[in-house]
Amino acid sequence: EDKVVQSPLSLVVHEGDTVTLNCSYEVTNFRSLLWYKQEKKAPTFLFMLTSSGIEKKSGRLSSILDKKELFSILNITATQTGDSAIYLCAVCLSNTGKLIFGQGTTLQVKP
Amino acid sequence: SQTIHQWPATLVQPVGSPLSLECTVEGTSNPNLYWYRQAAGRGLQLLFYSVGIGQISSEVPQNLSASRPQDRQFILSSKKLLLSDSGFYLCAWSDREVYYEQYFGPGTRLTVT
Repeated sequence: EDKVVQSPLSLVVHEGDTVTLNCSYEVTNFRSLLWYKQEKKAPTFLFMLTSSGIEKKSGRLSSILDKKELFSILNITATQTGDSAIYLCAVCLSNTGKLIFGQGTTLQVKP
Repeated sequence: SQTIHQWPATLVQPVGSPLSLECTVEGTSNPNLYWYRQAAGRGLQLLFYSVGIGQISSEVPQNLSASRPQDRQFILSSKKLLLSDSGFYLCAWSDREVYYEQYFGPGTRLTVT
């Protein structure tokens, strides 16, 4: 059965801290791995990763994929209260295009 | 640019009542469309996806159904709601070619009482 597991499930940090969120997967037809940020409502797209070892960056956020060890990490440096959200990891299957989501990591950044 | 709409934003329904949630996409043609459900504190579970008018694939056996009467319209329905149907329902679309990037609507929070 295709599976995506995120850790930790929740995290509380203070402004200025650096956090690392983890996503591991076991799927039979891997196409890509995606990260989303979900605040009050709809998840918003952050990154899509298809190749191992190539870091994607957007401001204070960065992500990298390891297709040998089947995991990805999302780093957030110099966290701000606006980074508080649920971070969702999903794997896209190449045969169907379906997304398999992890449980999400709830991040709370305290002032 | 593309936009995706969902309504209603919130809904409180009694057990046994019917359900109809609507999703429409603007600014694109022939999108793939998806319905997800998110239970409290959980990830997203794919319920249905559609690659064209009248073409629906069901992922999870349940008392819900989906229909796609028009190219950019996707409807989630139930004849009789259960308490376990409560959750946050999200509609998403993707380009037919770039199917691996999905974009989500604002969601409907459904509470079944």
